[in-house]
Order: sequence, then structure tokens, then C-alpha cells
Amino acid sequence: EVQLVESGGGLVQPGGSLRLSCAASGLTFGIYWMSWVRQAPGKGLEWVATMNQDGSDKFYVDSVKGRFTISRDNARNSLDLQMNSLRAEDTAVFYCVGEEKGDAFDTWGQGTMVTVSS
Amino acid sequence: QAGLTQPPSVSKGLRQTATLTCTGNSNNVGYQGAAWLQQHQGHPPKLLSYRNTNRPSGISERFSASRSGDTASLTITGLQPEDEAEYYCSAWDGRLRAWVFGGGTTLTVL
Repeated sequence: EVQLVESGGGLVQPGGSLRLSCAASGLTFGIYWMSWVRQAPGKGLEWVATMNQDGSDKFYVDSVKGRFTISRDNARNSLDLQMNSLRAEDTAVFYCVGEEKGDAFDTWGQGTMVTVSS
Repeated sequence: QAGLTQPPSVSKGLRQTATLTCTGNSNNVGYQGAAWLQQHQGHPPKLLSYRNTNRPSGISERFSASRSGDTASLTITGLQPEDEAEYYCSAWDGRLRAWVFGGGTTLTVL
């Protein structure tokens, strides 16, 4: 069974940091483009970051550039998102998402909630 | 980054056909095409179609997607109560080098 399991969410104060992790199983992780997509409470989907199979290409939404860093460890089948200088508007469910062919979000985790509040 | 445009809501009767639209531009929908996702309340999204017309295994044939120029469409035939959900389109924007989403369409089955 293909599974993406996120962890690391929680409550953090504005300006703080959080590191999200995603453990992949049941798929050939090394061939997937991997992304983080978030969804603020009651709102739509927002793409956050994407990286290619070997990490040589990374892309970010403008609002997180310089604050968030996406990384992966293909040997451990894991994807991370380091989030610094968090803001209230970063409050959202963060989904780990896989793209087998790099052209669509085909595999989704259950999500982890990040709340930025004092 | 600018997003794709979807109507906020669509309502159709049971067993009817609904067509949802998603409008972008030549850098995204008109470039590599669009994908469609379905999201039920409290659940992660599920991919329904990709590269305009392709359907992942396990997705009902009642869901079909197409594209004309910079507009993608998702047609759902024989509407069922379980089709009530939020539907999102997504596309890679080659100029922005970013993924963009539509704002979502809430489908109500009457």
C-alpha cells in the first residue's frame, strides 16, 4: 500500500521554526518528484514547494522563499520541510504530495496541522 | 503567484451531468495542461485526471476531463450523492516555474 505519512506539525509562536517530515512507503520514492501543499482552515489548496528526484531542482511559492527549505533523503524514503520565521498566515494543514511523472499531484498524505499563534 | 479561475459553486440534480471549468493562460493550462482533484470534507485531495484527459487507475469512467485552449473542463456524468465535494484544478506554470491551483468549485448534488 502506498503511504505518505507526515509528522512534525504543532503550535508555534510567530517568528518560530518547525520542521515537517514525510515518510514514504509502498512506492519507489527515488523516482518521484515531491511537493508540499498546504490548506489554510476553510480555504483552498496552495502549493508550497517542489523538488525533483535528486534534489537538483527546487521551487517555492513566493510567500515562503527565503523562509522554507525543502529537502529529501532517498535512502530513507523521506521528505522534509524546514520552516523558519513562521507567520500567522502560514497556519494550515500541510500535505506531503508525490508526483510519479512530475506532471500531477497523484499521491497525498493525510496532512499535518501547523498553527502559528501567540 | 496568480491562480487558475474556477466558479465557486455548481449545483446539479441526482443522475444529471455537471461540467466544471478551470481557466488559466498559455503559460499553465495552455502549456502542459491541467489536472483535477476531488476533496471531501476532512480528507486529503484525490487525483481524478492529469495531463488534460488521462484518468488514474481506479477512477470512475463517470469522470472525464478535457481542454480547449487555456480552459480545462471536468465532466461528471450520472451524478451520485458521493460526488458532492470540492473540486480543484492544478497546472504547472512554465513562466512562473510554480504550480498553480484554482480556487476550487463546490459541487452540490440536489
